[in-house]
Amino acid sequence: AQKVTQAQTEISVVEKEDVTLDCVYETRDTTYYLFWYKQPPSGELVFLIRRNSFDEQNEISGRYSWNFQKSTSSFNFTITASQVVDSAVYFCALSEGYSFSGSARQLTFGSGTQLTVLP
Amino acid sequence: DGGITQSPKYLFRKEGQNVTLSCEQNLNHDAMYWYRQDPGQGLRLIYYSQIVNDFQKGDIAEGYSVSREKKESFPLTVTSAQKNPTAFYLCASSQYPGGTYEQYFGPGTRLTVT
Repeated sequence: AQKVTQAQTEISVVEKEDVTLDCVYETRDTTYYLFWYKQPPSGELVFLIRRNSFDEQNEISGRYSWNFQKSTSSFNFTITASQVVDSAVYFCALSEGYSFSGSARQLTFGSGTQLTVLP
Repeated sequence: DGGITQSPKYLFRKEGQNVTLSCEQNLNHDAMYWYRQDPGQGLRLIYYSQIVNDFQKGDIAEGYSVSREKKESFPLTVTSAQKNPTAFYLCASSQYPGGTYEQYFGPGTRLTVT
């Protein structure tokens, strides 16, 4: 069974600080997909990134970067020079792809990390 | 603008009443999903549909029902059999079925049952 753990329930930083959100996953499959979503106070989840298990390259998008390490089953998310607008709940999610029967597996979400950036 | 709409944003019901939450998408996506979110918890899958006239139970389907008569619509009914219906409900869609593709979410409906 697939599982995602986000051990950090809440993080508070001061604007311009860097912050890393941890995500540890469990899966027995060799093919799987990892995601990060952002949920601002408005409630709607916003897709940030999708990464498959065969691509371990780190990715950078503006102030956001992601570190995927299969050896430690982690997919951590770093925000550089944080801003107040980054305040949100961030979810890490995992999908194992397809089962032997061909049916599509669904997403499993972690419990989320509430990030508060103070001015 | 393409997207997912959910209505209403806030919904109040008395215990014992069924209530239907609306979800419409104009993204021409094949797959649609319903999730439930409780405070301090992640999203849990209630039902999903990979194609019109087909839907599958998710992890917590008991007390809920859905229909998928049109590609763009996937309403969720919270029945009186659902023991703890008060929650935030999110609808999502993806271009193709399965969790391997990014999902696009609606703004959610916050249901309160007293």
